[in-house]
Amino acid sequence: QVQLQESGPGLVNPSETLSLTCTVSGASMTGYFWGWLRQPAGKGLEWIGRIYRSDYTDYSPSLKSRVTISIDTSKNQFSLELSSVTAADTAVYYCAREGGGAGSGWYLDYWGQGALVTVTS
Amino acid sequence: DIVMTQSPHSLAVSLGERATINCKSSQSLLHSSNNKIHLAWYQQKPGQPPKLLIYWASTRESGVPDRFSGSGSGTDFTLTISSLQAEDVAVYYCQQYCAVPRTFGQGTKLEIK
Repeated sequence: QVQLQESGPGLVNPSETLSLTCTVSGASMTGYFWGWLRQPAGKGLEWIGRIYRSDYTDYSPSLKSRVTISIDTSKNQFSLELSSVTAADTAVYYCAREGGGAGSGWYLDYWGQGALVTVTS
Repeated sequence: DIVMTQSPHSLAVSLGERATINCKSSQSLLHSSNNKIHLAWYQQKPGQPPKLLIYWASTRESGVPDRFSGSGSGTDFTLTISSLQAEDVAVYYCQQYCAVPRTFGQGTKLEIK
């Protein structure tokens, strides 16, 4: 059974960088797209970006200038960095796998439980 | 970006009755690479991550009860719960995976009448 777990600081100061790691268990990371999403309290889902292997990334245009997603398949982990955060970046951050077959990257079939990150001084 | 618009924003249905949620995309979700409709439906209960219910617009994920069904083509899609159960109270989202960035509808909150 594929499992994903987010980890990282729950509080981040304004203007600093938010960093989260997603640890994948129960499956190889090879051949799949791995993504990050977020959800402010009481609001809908926002797709942040995704990574495939270590050389292919897609980012949301609205966040692209501040986002970096990286992957370390030797540790079965992928990470999110979001720079210059403000209160508007306060949200539950989810990592997820894009399934549909190896190398495809379609629907989100496995999700982490989510990590609440609050931007506050 | 492809804009996904769900309706209604909220819905109250009696137990055992049918619930219907609509989703409209700003452009066709029929992908030329595989001739499939790149639309998924998710269910999110309070305090939980979203759960995949339907993909390719009408394929149920393994383990999803058959009272859940998806339909539609082109730009108009529907999630139907044929006989509402208490455990179906949740927010439902449609999502397109036809293009990047992936985008979601704003969600439909389903409650018991």
